[in-house]
Amino acid sequence: KAGVTQTPRYLIKTRGQQVTLSCSPISGHRSVSWYQQTPGQGLQFLFEYFSETQRNKGNFPGRFSGRQFSNSRSEMNVSTLELGDSALYLCASSASGENTGELFFGEGSRLTVL
Amino acid sequence: AQSVTQLGSHVSVSEGALVLLRCNYSSSVPPYLFWYVQYPNQGLQLLLKYTSAATLVKGINGFEAEFKKSETSFHLTKPSAHMSDAAEYFCAVSGPKSGGFKTIFGAGTRLFVKA
Repeated sequence: KAGVTQTPRYLIKTRGQQVTLSCSPISGHRSVSWYQQTPGQGLQFLFEYFSETQRNKGNFPGRFSGRQFSNSRSEMNVSTLELGDSALYLCASSASGENTGELFFGEGSRLTVL
Repeated sequence: AQSVTQLGSHVSVSEGALVLLRCNYSSSVPPYLFWYVQYPNQGLQLLLKYTSAATLVKGINGFEAEFKKSETSFHLTKPSAHMSDAAEYFCAVSGPKSGGFKTIFGAGTRLFVKA
């Protein structure tokens, strides 16, 4: 069974640009969560999608958005990039019917904003 | 509200020595607790989880953790460290929210293993 796949793995952008990151969950998993990981702030929850609906949201500005498609694949978008958006963005999926919150993570997309 | 505190951002042990990584949690409902490990340039991988069954939980790679409700702790241990254990370890607490779950992570503890 394939794991969680995130693309691209690495990318470099400049301030003011926008970026879209993609996440394909484990087959059969319908919940997808996104986290931002930085050395200073650790792992911060961005949002969670389930069946194409945003179910939970963290405390990030509106520049951070996401969506989920009918095949459970998810994308997140960051507009008007700032230097502080440089981070490792991790996607995680959860099994349908799983009732503990166990997460399966991808390897992440490392974004560098110059 | 839920929160997780990991004591010590860095822990250094000698190969073969006991590993002890500390985690305390706060939760208004019975928690689900997890330890994840992250190797360089990789995502997080589940080590073990507590889901209200046995209080002593065994995980992969010889790690185990004990849930102590009275101390609100979920410390991670391994009797004998191996060089391959060098990584960053995250304690996490999960609880129901909006029909799903919200998982809060601790700040992480980086484990160094000396030869």
